Amino acid sequence: EPEVTQTPSHQVTQMGQEVILRCVPISNHLYFYWYRQILGQKVEFLVSFYNNEISEKSEIFDDQFSVERPDGSNFTLKIRSTKLEDSAMYFCASSRTDPWAQYFGPGTRLTVL
Amino acid sequence: GESVGLHLPTLSVQEGDNSIINCAYSNSASDYFIWYKQESGKGPQFIIDIRSNMDKRQGQRVTVLLNKTVKHLSLQIAATQPGDSAVYFCAENPTGTASKLTFGTGTRLQVTL
Repeated sequence: EPEVTQTPSHQVTQMGQEVILRCVPISNHLYFYWYRQILGQKVEFLVSFYNNEISEKSEIFDDQFSVERPDGSNFTLKIRSTKLEDSAMYFCASSRTDPWAQYFGPGTRLTVL
Repeated sequence: GESVGLHLPTLSVQEGDNSIINCAYSNSASDYFIWYKQESGKGPQFIIDIRSNMDKRQGQRVTVLLNKTVKHLSLQIAATQPGDSAVYFCAENPTGTASKLTFGTGTRLQVTL
């Protein structure tokens, strides 16, 4: 069964550093998403992406965040200058049609020191 | 991908019994709902979805009921198994947002032998 994959599984970085989280969505899916889950809190929407453009973003997704689909398979989330409060699990998701049945990856645990 | 530390409602069920997990949603205009299962250290796993023009949908061992009058969603799991132990989230797509899913806080299901 096809699934969303994410790398790395765990990323540790120093405050102020840039990080890039990578995702490979399910191959025939057209819509891509990033969510995050701070430890002990709900899963929160960050951004959705379709046809090489951001469809929607939350207030969390400020100028420090960006997304890219550099080729036909990868979907990345970049945080330019990480803050302590960016520490969280970051989940990538994809769906064939928007917004139905979003399938999530296993997540990347980001720890900012 | 854990909700460790969050004071989640917990449902304890004996193996073989049926489980009912409830969710109250906030937006009366939401038109799409999903149930996700999240096991420790993993991403949310799609279980079943339902659109607002339905009040019931069945899958394998699972049934989702939607009561729009009281903005209530439930997930019924038949013949609960130890592998069903996880945190269960309902998520809604608020009308007017093309792609965003808003997650609830979750319920922890514990299956006892």
